[in-house]
Amino acid sequence: EIVLKQSPATLSLSPGERATLSCRASQSVSSYLAWYQQKPGQAPRLLIYAATNRATGVPARFSGSGFGTDFTLTISSLEPEDFAVYYCQQRSSWPPFTFGGGTKVEIK
Amino acid sequence: EVQLLESGGGLVQPGGSLRLSCAASGFTFGDYAMSWVRQAPGKGLEWVSTITGSDGSSYYADSVKGRFTISRDNSKSTLFLQMIRLTVDDTALYYCAKDPRRTAAGTFDYWGQGTLVTVSS
Repeated sequence: EIVLKQSPATLSLSPGERATLSCRASQSVSSYLAWYQQKPGQAPRLLIYAATNRATGVPARFSGSGFGTDFTLTISSLEPEDFAVYYCQQRSSWPPFTFGGGTKVEIK
Repeated sequence: EVQLLESGGGLVQPGGSLRLSCAASGFTFGDYAMSWVRQAPGKGLEWVSTITGSDGSSYYADSVKGRFTISRDNSKSTLFLQMIRLTVDDTALYYCAKDPRRTAAGTFDYWGQGTLVTVSS
């Protein structure tokens, strides 16, 4: 089973700042990595698929990068609605599909 | 507009059974793989099961294999999860999620709002 480790667990930033979230896989997942955003009381929302592709309707301030074992989700300038929990997920070697433990982006 | 509406959750005793449903609309249901993903209270996301839209092949997490059965009724655009021998560790919000491909791509592009399963005596 591929384990995904996300860091940091919590990121405290102010609106307008840049957020950089990390996801590291226990073995290569090629580019088969997705990112999801989850706000309190809501279902997860797909942000990024295949490591770098924005899902439909996702603002351009969200970008994904990486390949193999190291991935990054960047939010170029935080908007108030971006404060949420973010999860990475791999589909390279399955079953199982696995998720990281999440990074909470909170208002500083 | 894609919509996924889960139902069937509730309070059940350990060892009990429950059947979850997910009514889909806004897309050709049979053309896509579908999955269940759960989230224990205050915890992260855990994939539970996937069924393809092509041949109905099913896949399970080790934690539920042999106890949960995923199925689908394409004529009614409905996904199911039959759960037996439930334990307290199965307590979670269960989400229905759509895959962007008929064969499982393993990306979840649309999610329902979830149905809560509580296993407690």
